[in-house]
Amino acid sequence: EVQLVESGGGLVQPGESLRLSCAASGFTFSSYAIIWVRQAPGKGLEWVSSISGSVDTTYYADSVKGRFTIFRDNSKNTVYLQMNSLRAEDTAVYYCVKASGAWFWGQGTLVTVSS
Amino acid sequence: DIVMTQSPDSLAVSLGERATINCKSSQSVLYSSNSKHYLAWYQQKPGQPPKLLIYWASTRESGVPDRFSGSGSGTDFTLTISSLQAEDVAVYYCQQYYTTLMWTFGQGTKVEIK
Repeated sequence: EVQLVESGGGLVQPGESLRLSCAASGFTFSSYAIIWVRQAPGKGLEWVSSISGSVDTTYYADSVKGRFTIFRDNSKNTVYLQMNSLRAEDTAVYYCVKASGAWFWGQGTLVTVSS
Repeated sequence: DIVMTQSPDSLAVSLGERATINCKSSQSVLYSSNSKHYLAWYQQKPGQPPKLLIYWASTRESGVPDRFSGSGSGTDFTLTISSLQAEDVAVYYCQQYYTTLMWTFGQGTKVEIK
């Protein structure tokens, strides 16, 4: 059974950093692309960042480019989203998604950026 | 970037009646090499992640009731709920996956019971 479990969310102040994790199980992790999608409170879905399966090509939305870094540790079946210089507008539920083969969404982790 | 625009932003439909949601992409999401439209539809209920309903513009995900159907081509797509049920109250999103691993979503359409 495919599982994706996000963790690492919490309350931080503007300018601080946070690292989200997406732990995967139930599939051959290294072969599949993973995407982060976020949803601000009461708002729609926004693609944030992606990492491909085999060659680790990365992609970023303009809104996070230069501040967020996506990377994966295939030995731990985990994708990370390192978020630096956080802003109030980064407040959202962050979902990780298995984005190749059969798609699968995790349950999300809430990030709140507030002073 | 491909911009996805849904209409309407919200709609209220009587139980058993048809609900129609439109989605327009700023450029074609048809991949000519395989003749597939890289367009998906999701349903999202409060406190839950989005649930995939339709992919390739018209292919229903396994387990999705057949009252949900997708249609369209080129840049114009439609999600139809043929007979609205109470459990269909949700927000619906279209999404393009034509640009590899750089998805974009419509702004969402809220469906309520009239």
